[in-house]
Amino acid sequence: GAVVSQHPSWVICKSGTSVKIECRSLDFQATTMFWYRQFPKQSLMLMATSNEGSKATYEQGVEKDKFLINHASLTLSTLTVTSAHPEDSSFYICSASPNSTVNYGYTFGSGTRLTVV
Amino acid sequence: QKEVEQDPGPLSVPEGAIVSLNCTYSNSAFQYFMWYRQYSRKGPELLMYTYSSGNKEDGRFTAQVDKSSKYISLFIRDSQPSDSATYLCAMSSWGKLQFGAGTQVVVTP
Repeated sequence: GAVVSQHPSWVICKSGTSVKIECRSLDFQATTMFWYRQFPKQSLMLMATSNEGSKATYEQGVEKDKFLINHASLTLSTLTVTSAHPEDSSFYICSASPNSTVNYGYTFGSGTRLTVV
Repeated sequence: QKEVEQDPGPLSVPEGAIVSLNCTYSNSAFQYFMWYRQYSRKGPELLMYTYSSGNKEDGRFTAQVDKSSKYISLFIRDSQPSDSATYLCAMSSWGKLQFGAGTQVVVTP
């Protein structure tokens, strides 16, 4: 089955620094990957859609200059949280789908818990 | 009003009971309907998906979709303590997922 690997699983950083999160599709090519943020006891909120070889599409209210997304290849997308602040502390999750199952067969990474101190 | 409504629970059931979960939605463009299970501090895991209206069964899990009522359900038979998790409904239109808030389920031994 489709496998999505996400690293790191957790990270603690100082306020003002930047953090990069990687999302890889291990056994399929993903033209599109999605980045979500999840606060405790809340649902997943879509942040942006990452498209290979082109600019990401951000959801309303998500600062594109703060959350930099790069989708350099068909198997790798990265999310960089720039100048992180404590309010950016959250659980970040990526997902991807083989083109044949793009409407329903989403596989999620294991998530990255970011804590900004 | 949210596009997808789901009771956050928690829903507590004794081991062996049937777990009944549901979501309502407002966007008639949704065509694919999914249920995900999420354990604490982990990414969601796809349990079931259904296209359009109808029922689908997979082992102890049954998913139902009623597009006329904009209502979907997930039933878990013979529940086990290992089924304790948060269950999220999700719906897709043109490849973009919309999630419910998730229902926390606790199955007590």
